[in-house]
Amino acid sequence: GENVEQHPSTLSVQEGDSAVIKCTYSDSASNYFPWYKQELGKGPQLIIDIRSNVGEKKDQRIAVTLNKTAKHFSLHITETQPEDSAVYFCAASKTSGTYKYIFGTGTRLKVLA
Amino acid sequence: KAGVTQTPRYLIKTRGQQVTLSCSPISGHRSVSWYQQTPGQGLQFLFEYFSETQRNKGNFPGRFSGRQFSNSRSEMNVSTLELGDSALYLCASSTFDNTDTQYFGPGTRLTVL
Repeated sequence: GENVEQHPSTLSVQEGDSAVIKCTYSDSASNYFPWYKQELGKGPQLIIDIRSNVGEKKDQRIAVTLNKTAKHFSLHITETQPEDSAVYFCAASKTSGTYKYIFGTGTRLKVLA
Repeated sequence: KAGVTQTPRYLIKTRGQQVTLSCSPISGHRSVSWYQQTPGQGLQFLFEYFSETQRNKGNFPGRFSGRQFSNSRSEMNVSTLELGDSALYLCASSTFDNTDTQYFGPGTRLTVL
């Protein structure tokens, strides 16, 4: 069935270092890959997304890369700051006239000051 | 624009009771999806509504149901509550303009005693 694996489950980095979170999806028909940040007591907030016709997308300190052949996509955060501490979720979906995200299991990122 | 709103934010029920949760999407958004979030199972898709019609459904028992009104507001209902239904229930809305981006509300925290 449809599945998204996400690693690592926890990640601690020093402030200013980079953080990388990786996801692998199973459904080759998936063509949309959003990343969400969830802070305590809040709903997931979209931080960046990428479509299957693009290999990389960047927004300031955040970038996402996609390898369709390997069915891998990754989130890269550079120059991490304490406010980046949160749980990050990747997801995969396909444009099929309906919205159904398959989420990864989440990565708890801790940025140590 | 106001974001996705969910009411109530917190709810405590006992086993066997039923509960109704409400979601108001972002103005202009016509698609509403519901997800259940638990520490053990992560974020799992419940169902999605568009123009008052359920277009997709996840792997949840029939105790979980939903509906959407003509103004795009949505409700989900859980009957005969079980302890395992304790979770954060998240609603997400989208414009259905093929961008596939979903925006989440803050969630309703349901505790079943």
